[in-house]
Amino acid sequence: ETGVTQSPTHLIKTRGQQVTLRCSSQSGHNTVSWYQQALGQGPQFIFQYYREEENGRGNFPPRFSGLQFPNYSSELNVNALELDDSALYLCASSLGLAGGGTQYFGPGTRLLVL
Amino acid sequence: AQTVTQSQPEMSVQEAETVTLSCTYDTSESDYYLFWYKQPPSRQMILVIRQEAYKQQNATENRFSVNFQKAAKSFSLKISDSQLGDAAMYFCAYRGARQGGSEKLVFGKGMKLTVNP
Repeated sequence: ETGVTQSPTHLIKTRGQQVTLRCSSQSGHNTVSWYQQALGQGPQFIFQYYREEENGRGNFPPRFSGLQFPNYSSELNVNALELDDSALYLCASSLGLAGGGTQYFGPGTRLLVL
Repeated sequence: AQTVTQSQPEMSVQEAETVTLSCTYDTSESDYYLFWYKQPPSRQMILVIRQEAYKQQNATENRFSVNFQKAAKSFSLKISDSQLGDAAMYFCAYRGARQGGSEKLVFGKGMKLTVNP
């Protein structure tokens, strides 16, 4: 069984640029959630995708957008990067309510905005 | 809105001893899930244990067990026979079980556990 994978592992961007982060869900999982984890903090929910549809969004501006593909992999896009976007971005996959909602996390992408 | 509070930012324990990490939460929902995740320096968030609110029996996973007090909204994690590999950040997390709702996790701020040899 393949776990959750994310790419890239590290990324450096400058303010105003755009970035795309990728996530492959665990085999058999149909739900992907994205979280932002600032240094020294707990993860904050960005949004969730269930069967290619957005299924909930946290308190993040519209420049944070996402996509889920038919194979349930997902992308997180961030436009007009700001310094405060520097963080660890975590992707988690789950089986939806049928699986009791346990989310399994990938290793994360560390984004640094200069 | 649901909140999760971990009031102890850091703890330390001697190898082979027992340590308890505390967590409280606030919710108006009656059905939900609670989780403890571990995040070592490698950054990957690893599930330690999960508790369904409708179950009165406390969850256990090998050396890890919880004390779930629903009325008090308390969810503590006990680590027995602590090992050096247990050193990590530990996060308590809440997830509502409302049908059709988002399955977002609400995390506490985390607690750093140090295991001394």
